[in-house]
Amino acid sequence: EPEVTQTPSHQVTQMGQEVILRCVPISNHLYFYWYRQILGQKVEFLVSFYNNEISEKSEIFDDQFSVERPDGSNFTLKIRSTKLEDSAMYFCASLIDRANTGELFFGEGSRLTVL
Amino acid sequence: DAKTTQPTSMDCAEGRAANLPCNHSTISGNEYVYWYRQIHSQGPQYIIHGLKNNETNEMASLIITEDRKSSTLILPHATLRDTAVYYCIAPSGNTGKLIFGQGTTLQVKP
Repeated sequence: EPEVTQTPSHQVTQMGQEVILRCVPISNHLYFYWYRQILGQKVEFLVSFYNNEISEKSEIFDDQFSVERPDGSNFTLKIRSTKLEDSAMYFCASLIDRANTGELFFGEGSRLTVL
Repeated sequence: DAKTTQPTSMDCAEGRAANLPCNHSTISGNEYVYWYRQIHSQGPQYIIHGLKNNETNEMASLIITEDRKSSTLILPHATLRDTAVYYCIAPSGNTGKLIFGQGTTLQVKP
C-alpha cells in the first residue's frame, strides 16, 4: 500500500538552528500538508500546499516557517531559527484530490527536539 | 468546521464491539463526517467517512442519525491494537484541512 514517508524520524537541534524536515508524499497526490503535535496536545494544522504554492496557513505558520516542493517527489518544511516551543511531532500528509476531501494520508512523523 | 463533541475516554473489552459516539449538531448539509484515529504517537489514520447514509468498510461501520446531528463509529470486534485516540471531524469546505479536537481515548482491555 502506498504511504507517506518522512525523514528524519527524530532530530535534536540547538535553539536558533535551522531545521529541514522532509516528506515524500504518495506519488499521484496533488495536495500536501504539514501538521504538528506538541507532546500531550492536539494535532494542529500548519499549512496546505497545492500547485507549488501555499493555499492556506495557520497562525502558527509564521515567518520562521517555509515549505517547498523542490522536485517532483519531496515536500519539505523548514524552520529557520528554532525555538524551544517548536519541539513537537511534525506530520506530513497528502491528499489525492479535493473530491476525496478529508481522506488524508499521514506519515509517521518527525520528532523535533529543540534544546 | 462544524463543532464536534466526543467523550473523553471509553473502555471496551477485547472481542466486543466498541461504539464511539460523536455529536455534531451544527453540521451543515454538505459537510461530511470523518473519523480518524491515532495510535500512540503515530500519524493519524483515516478510518471512514459519510454524509447521510450508513457506511461500512473493512475497519469499521459509521452510523449517522437521520437528522445528521450525531454519529457512532462501530468497531465490531475490538482488539488490543485498536487502543487509540479516535477523532470525529466535520470539515467545512473542500480544502482537505482537518481540525482535530481532543478525541476519544479508547482503551481495549483483555
